[in-house]
Amino acid sequence: DVKVTQSSRYLVKRTGEKVFLECVQDMDHENMFWYRQDPGLGLRLIYFSYDVKMKEKGDIPEGYSVSREKKERFSLILESASTNQTSMYLCASSFPGRNTQYFGPGTRLTVL
Amino acid sequence: KNQVEQSPQSLIILEGKNCTLQCNYTVSPFSNLRWYKQDTGRGPVSLTIMTFSENTKSNGRYTATLDADTKQSSLHITASQLSDSASYICVVSANFGNEKLTFGTGTRLTIIP
Repeated sequence: DVKVTQSSRYLVKRTGEKVFLECVQDMDHENMFWYRQDPGLGLRLIYFSYDVKMKEKGDIPEGYSVSREKKERFSLILESASTNQTSMYLCASSFPGRNTQYFGPGTRLTVL
Repeated sequence: KNQVEQSPQSLIILEGKNCTLQCNYTVSPFSNLRWYKQDTGRGPVSLTIMTFSENTKSNGRYTATLDADTKQSSLHITASQLSDSASYICVVSANFGNEKLTFGTGTRLTIIP
């Protein structure tokens, strides 16, 4: 079975802090994605990556950056957290050309 | 603009009853449509996937239908169980040669004993 893990289930940070969210997948997927999920808005794509050291902006990249140094690991970085970044963050991965994405359990981030 | 709309936003039914969730989309060009189940506090899990040529697909007590002409899909749940309580998300993929997905906002289903 595909397994996508995220480093934390719950995280509380203060405004202005730098935040790292880690995602690891064990199925050798080339594609990895970061979404945020907010009530009434559905999932929105922040960034995605088709390969190591490669990244593409999604629909809402402002305030975020990503890093993909290894194929199995995709990190989301909030350089200076703000209260409007309080959300559920979901990581996903897939093979190229097969757009069934497998999701991690999510990280609920609260920025105070 | 590609959009996916789901109805109802929320639904409460008695255990054992059937229910149907709706999804309308304006994604073009259409590639495929998925229904995901998301338990509270968990990531979404794929239930079914349908391409343009498929009208219906079942996964146990879940049956999805697709009408590509009217751009509508439904998810029918038969003999509901308490474990069916979750959000159900309709996701449509456009055929752009990449993995860009358009997500609906989901239907929150609650099964009561």
